[in-house]
Amino acid sequence: AQKITQTQPGMFVQEKEAVTLDCTYDTSDQSYGLFWYKQPSSGEMIFLIYQGSYDEQNATEGRYSLNFQKARKSANLVISASQLGDSAMYFCAMREAGYLGSGGSNYKLTFGKGTLLTVNP
Amino acid sequence: ETGVTQTPRHLVMGMTNKKSLKCEQHLGHNAMYWYKQSAKKPLELMFVYSLEERVENNSVPSRFSPECPNSSHLFLHLHTLQPEDSALYLCASSRGAGTSLTDTQYFGPGTRLTVL
Repeated sequence: AQKITQTQPGMFVQEKEAVTLDCTYDTSDQSYGLFWYKQPSSGEMIFLIYQGSYDEQNATEGRYSLNFQKARKSANLVISASQLGDSAMYFCAMREAGYLGSGGSNYKLTFGKGTLLTVNP
Repeated sequence: ETGVTQTPRHLVMGMTNKKSLKCEQHLGHNAMYWYKQSAKKPLELMFVYSLEERVENNSVPSRFSPECPNSSHLFLHLHTLQPEDSALYLCASSRGAGTSLTDTQYFGPGTRLTVL
């Protein structure tokens, strides 16, 4: 089973509108962290936002916010007031604390396959 | 922001060549990573170095050989590659060699590798 599922291969949004990118995850751990990254065509993965499993409030960072629904195991990224420069691939990723318990490290981030967002003028 | 740099940005090599990818981080981090990104596949972790020691090797073929001479530099030495090794190779760094869930990885721009 996939640990991170991004069901939208591609999304389109009009400039200045809001858009939600979906991410669901699968874990049996109580402690985990969720990350969103943006990858423009230039290739660099840019960190956007982080949500911890015990955080009571949804994370926000400028125009980015995370709609965290723990019971549904979803961590959707909301981008408000879309800009042309937001056109990129967006990846959801998870780090599980349980990886430590098995004797391994917690370095591993598990990534989804990504969603290609296109912002239209 | 150029916290993590990678050279070269593009590389074309034959299967018998030997080449090296370089990564440098200017963030004062203790951990560095190599990832492979192939078309239509999730990002794959290849190697992790923490405080210059290799802590993870995700069953990567021996034709890929990492080297971490200090906490700021990471290399990926390539030899006898196959066409299926063509991909974007991303380097990342993070603060921790520790156990924090919040330890964020910061990526470089990647090296686009084509193996002929």
